[in-house]
Amino acid sequence: NAGVTQTPKFQVLKTGQSMTLQCAQDMNHNSMYWYRQDPGMGLRLIYYSASEGTTDKGEVPNGYNVSRLNKREFSLRLESAAPSQTSVYFCASGLQGADNSPLHFGNGTRLTVT
Amino acid sequence: AQRVTQPEKLLSVFKGAPVELKCNYSYSGSPELFWYVQYSRQRLQLLLRHISRESIKGFTADLNKGETSFHLKKPFAQEEDSAMYYCALPFSGGYNKLIFGAGTRLAVHP
Repeated sequence: NAGVTQTPKFQVLKTGQSMTLQCAQDMNHNSMYWYRQDPGMGLRLIYYSASEGTTDKGEVPNGYNVSRLNKREFSLRLESAAPSQTSVYFCASGLQGADNSPLHFGNGTRLTVT
Repeated sequence: AQRVTQPEKLLSVFKGAPVELKCNYSYSGSPELFWYVQYSRQRLQLLLRHISRESIKGFTADLNKGETSFHLKKPFAQEEDSAMYYCALPFSGGYNKLIFGAGTRLAVHP
């Protein structure tokens, strides 16, 4: 039981390049989330998926797209990377609808855009 | 709008000293509040939630609706408590979709 797995762990991009961050969970959770973590700002929600087949915008969705490929996988895509997207990205999953169900986080992807 | 405020970026204490990490929130209704912790080189994980009224690793947190606060406390800090602590509450519509505060780094010195 690996929990939430993110790949890659590190990535450096040049402005304008594209990439996809991968996330998979093996806990049979129905909801999945992408957050970015920036110094002094905590974690901000980019996109989430309450269940397979649905996705919704969070606080800071601009410049990102997501795909809920199946129940296990939720990917985050940067179509044209910008320096402002330099951040640590965390994927999380949870059991939507279950009282007090905590979020389970991945180890994060550290992205630098030059 | 929902908001979580952690006023301290860094809290530095000596081992054995009491610790209080502050968290204030704005929320319409009765909030469910959480504390998450991130130890060095580890993933973010749930520390405790107010509805459970539990003590985890000696930490407790009481919801004060009058002051809209959910401060995290521990009477005697240990070096292994050094970590980044985040207070969080749900967006409207579900427990899982969380708003996080900016975080407080706790440094416990020997």
